[in-house]
This record gives sequence, structure tokens and C-alpha cells, in this order.
Amino acid sequence: GESVGLHLPTLSVQEGDNSIINCAYSNSASDYFIWYKQESGKGPQFIIDIRSNMDKRQGQRVTVLLNKTVKHLSLQIAATQPGDSAVYFCAEGSNDYKLSFGAGTTVTVRA
Amino acid sequence: KAGVTQTPRYLIKTRGQQVTLSCSPISGHRSVSWYQQTPGQGLQFLFEYFSETQRNKGNFPGRFSGRQFSNSRSEMNVSTLELGDSALYLCASGGSSADTQYFGPGTRLTVL
Repeated sequence: GESVGLHLPTLSVQEGDNSIINCAYSNSASDYFIWYKQESGKGPQFIIDIRSNMDKRQGQRVTVLLNKTVKHLSLQIAATQPGDSAVYFCAEGSNDYKLSFGAGTTVTVRA
Repeated sequence: KAGVTQTPRYLIKTRGQQVTLSCSPISGHRSVSWYQQTPGQGLQFLFEYFSETQRNKGNFPGRFSGRQFSNSRSEMNVSTLELGDSALYLCASGGSSADTQYFGPGTRLTVL
């Protein structure tokens, strides 16, 4: 079965607020983790990744946190915008050339 | 730099038929992976190719097959289509370690 899962299937956020999307994983041997955003009718879009030897990585308006002790990954989106409405997936990978995905969290931004 | 391209974007087939989907990776990328996305099962790994060699394969029946050409373009084939094969088929390209993978828009396959 899948080794990656998300805590909540849906998240509603007020425009301008910060969003936090959570993900739990079970494979402690995972080397890297990736967050993807998928809009309706499109393929997953790469947002940010983090390797297992890091605990934090920042991008433009996004921050990924990795807590290996509790096998938890989170994606923080600052100042959420209507264009951030989408399904967000976390994925984990190791040295076997494949990604395992969680079920996804649907983020809805309220105006 | 152009992204991952997939053709066709939409396909309608009937049970028992076979289908071939095509994927062109990002220029310079030699790894191509295929995933199946359905509402019930989510994103599931099919297989990964690098330099024309399959390096890993997911838990799908033998009706699902793939190949990669010397120019890194890849095709996947599904034979004897079943209703349950209706899905979005996604292709992703990456570097040699296939860690960060970039996805194409997908091919929406409907089996009637």
C-alpha cells in the first residue's frame, strides 16, 4: 500500500491567510519528499522538494518542514491567494526510481 | 525549455481494445516514469525507464507495458482494455536519479 498519506482531505482558507497542509509518511528510508499542486484538468505541478537530511526548505511563498522523528511533512503557503486553490499531494521517494503519493488535500481559498 | 508533452490528451476506447500513449520528456531528461491516477486509487506508479531500460515496475498486470526510445521518448501500451483502466495517465521526466520528477498534462483514457 501507499506509504504516504495526508491528515485532512480538505482545507478551506481565507484569502491572505497562511495555509498549512500536513502529510504523514511511514517509510523511514525515504530519501526525499516532494510537494505537488494539481489543478483541475492538469498534471501535478512541482512546488518544492526536501531531502531527508534537511528539516526545512523555503521557496517563493512556500516552506516545507520535515520532522523525521514523527515522520511528518508539512507545506506552508504564505498569504494564500485564489490561484492556490488546488489539490496538493506529498510524495516520497528513495533510490528505487519511483514516487509514492498520498491521497491529496483539496485546498479552497475563500475570498 | 519546453515541458513534458503527452499525446493524445484524450482517448476513448472500448473494452478489449488496446491503446498506446506517448510521452516526450523535458529536453536533457533521460528518466521517464508513468503513473495512473484514478479517484479511487489516487496516483499509482506504473514503471520507470532510463536509457531505454526499465528500472522499476509497479504492481500492475502484464497488460500494461512500456518502452523508451534512444531519444528518451517513451510509450506505454495497455492491451485488452477493461472498464477499470479508465484513468488519467501521467508521464513524468527527471534526471538520472529520478528524484525530482516533472509531470506532463496527462492523457485522459475512457474505456466504454
